[in-house]
Amino acid sequence: SAVISQKPSRDICQRGTSLTIQCQVDSQVTMMFWYRQQPGQSLTLIATANQGSEATYESGFVIDKFPISRPNLTFSTLTVSNLSPEDSSIYLCSVDRVTGELFFGEGSRLTVL
Amino acid sequence: AQSVSQHNHHVILSEAASLELGCNYSYGGTVNLFWYVQYPGQHLQLLLKYFSGDPLVKGIKGFEAEFIKSKFSFNLRKPSVQWSDTAEYFCAVNAGFAAGNKLTFGGGTRVLVKP
Repeated sequence: SAVISQKPSRDICQRGTSLTIQCQVDSQVTMMFWYRQQPGQSLTLIATANQGSEATYESGFVIDKFPISRPNLTFSTLTVSNLSPEDSSIYLCSVDRVTGELFFGEGSRLTVL
Repeated sequence: AQSVSQHNHHVILSEAASLELGCNYSYGGTVNLFWYVQYPGQHLQLLLKYFSGDPLVKGIKGFEAEFIKSKFSFNLRKPSVQWSDTAEYFCAVNAGFAAGNKLTFGGGTRVLVKP
């Protein structure tokens, strides 16, 4: 298994601002992913965070709105930019230990006023 | 692209009843299959997984799932539920590196077990 720490665990932000979420893993991992879980819905993959290169975004998600950094094999950040109430969600960091099984952090609950 | 369908959005049942949650996926190649559970206020946890071998897999807390390749299905079962099984259950599929090695989730099924 992997221990995944996300910060902040929750935040309330004003529209138009940005929030950066950090994800720290207790060991090196190859694949890191960022998911969004909107209220009452399933998980949607935002992007794959690639170490040393630009993230790979899923359809409907763009770098300007969700810039991602991955400076090394244990850390990544997701920024949600120009916030609107529709961005209110839980954002989850997850990692894959090559087996295809994902381990999840506890998530960062964002509320945009 | 792979997709996952969970047919039941909400299930309500009494303790000791049997539970079966349907999951179908669309992808013609080799897949890895998962069921995750999210208890109220908690983060996602893995219930069980299928990579290869015996298509009947057993997970934690008495859950099992059967992979039927011909039906593209991976249904979750528990013979006798408890109140503590109240949670949301997510089926997920990974079609491997050829498909980006990413996990695609179904829409989830909310299960309420009445005491």
